[in-house]
Amino acid sequence: GENVEQHPSTLSVQEGDSAVIKCTYSDSASNYFPWYKQELGKRPQLIIDIRSNVGEKKDQRIAVTLNKTAKHFSLHITETQPEDSAVYFCAASKDAGGTSYGKLTFGQGTILTVHP
Amino acid sequence: DAGVIQSPRHEVTEMGQEVTLRCKPISGHNSLFWYRQTMMRGLELLIYFNNNVPIDDSGMPEDRFSAKMPNASFSTLKIQPSEPRDSAVYFCASSPGRRNTEAFFGQGTRLTVV
Repeated sequence: GENVEQHPSTLSVQEGDSAVIKCTYSDSASNYFPWYKQELGKRPQLIIDIRSNVGEKKDQRIAVTLNKTAKHFSLHITETQPEDSAVYFCAASKDAGGTSYGKLTFGQGTILTVHP
Repeated sequence: DAGVIQSPRHEVTEMGQEVTLRCKPISGHNSLFWYRQTMMRGLELLIYFNNNVPIDDSGMPEDRFSAKMPNASFSTLKIQPSEPRDSAVYFCASSPGRRNTEAFFGQGTRLTVV
């Protein structure tokens, strides 16, 4: 099955700096890569996702890049703010067609702390 | 739509007792997932259903765990008998299925077994 590795496990930055979180996946058939943000005591919520036919996607201060050949994808947060502090999870999945039904395999999570 | 609804939000039970967690997925979603989250193991997929049929339960840790989905709007995760190591946050998530695989999570149930 799919295996997703995420690094670093913790990341501490100053407000205004950029933060980068990286993930690798093992199943070359995976084609959907979402990122979830989980604030303390809350549920994981989708912040951005990318499909394998796209190399990069951006939404305001966050962006995700995908390298299918190397089987890795990254989350980039620019101009970080204290409210970006949370746990971030990457995940990988195959399209729900066939037998995958949208099953997500998550990375281990990154605790991001943004210091004012 | 109110999103994925889980109950209870918190559950404290004694070791050996039966625990039942409940989930109502988003209407129209075809896939439902049960995850367990702990500090040590992160987010683990326990079991998932598609069109109410269990597809993969390989993540269920032991025979003490069972899950059902009797209809499209309701699922349960049962632990019997419960043990302290079952203490975790249990999330239910649903997805439209087909080509859209975005998963929407419920608020979770924080289970403490003493």
